[in-house]
Amino acid sequence: GAGVSQTPSNKVTEKGKYVELRCDPISGHTALYWYRQSLGQGPEFLIYFQGTGAADDSGLPNDRFFAVRPEGSVSTLKIQRTERGDSAVYLCASSLRRASGLDTGELFFGEGSRLTVL
Amino acid sequence: GNSVTQMEGPVTLSEEAFLTINCTYTATGYPSLFWYVQYPGEGLQLLLKATKADDKGSNKGFEATYRKETTSFHLEKGSVQVSDSAVYFCALTGGGSQGNLIFGKGTKLSVKP
Repeated sequence: GAGVSQTPSNKVTEKGKYVELRCDPISGHTALYWYRQSLGQGPEFLIYFQGTGAADDSGLPNDRFFAVRPEGSVSTLKIQRTERGDSAVYLCASSLRRASGLDTGELFFGEGSRLTVL
Repeated sequence: GNSVTQMEGPVTLSEEAFLTINCTYTATGYPSLFWYVQYPGEGLQLLLKATKADDKGSNKGFEATYRKETTSFHLEKGSVQVSDSAVYFCALTGGGSQGNLIFGKGTKLSVKP
């Protein structure tokens, strides 16, 4: 597609339930990022994929959060046993990495998935 | 770790007014600096960037200069328009994995006709 696509755009769930959020990056972008944005805050880094592997997952808040990118394109962020504090907008971004390994610095963001945990 | 502090909003200006949104950073090494913008109902998008000291990024009439001596990257525009109403985020590279960005809290700008 033309841009980064995220689904669902809105998700309301109950405390304790399992949630999956999907990201379809720009075609050809090998780097993919997940961020979380709480109300009134800037995006907070969660995890970064280069190809199929998680190159940096240091931002995942705890082991209830997990993300996969099995074929190096679409990624799924999975949240187990959701808590009210997980309510936020989850942003996905992709970027094109240069052959040298240095990123261009420009991340292309999707519109986000708004998660509400009741 | 690296961090960024930006001017709190909201900021309300009249059309054609001068805009400054302050951004300062703390970093080890030599980060790249960015301004991202989020228009209502849209995703974040890159506005401008600077990759080394004294570089000036510019786009759509906005400018910001990478000042190492004051660790700042203030966003300026000489004459704002109603269409500039958006949330602006200052960001820098995280110093860890390549490409990871650390964002400020954002500054909401409203421009009145």
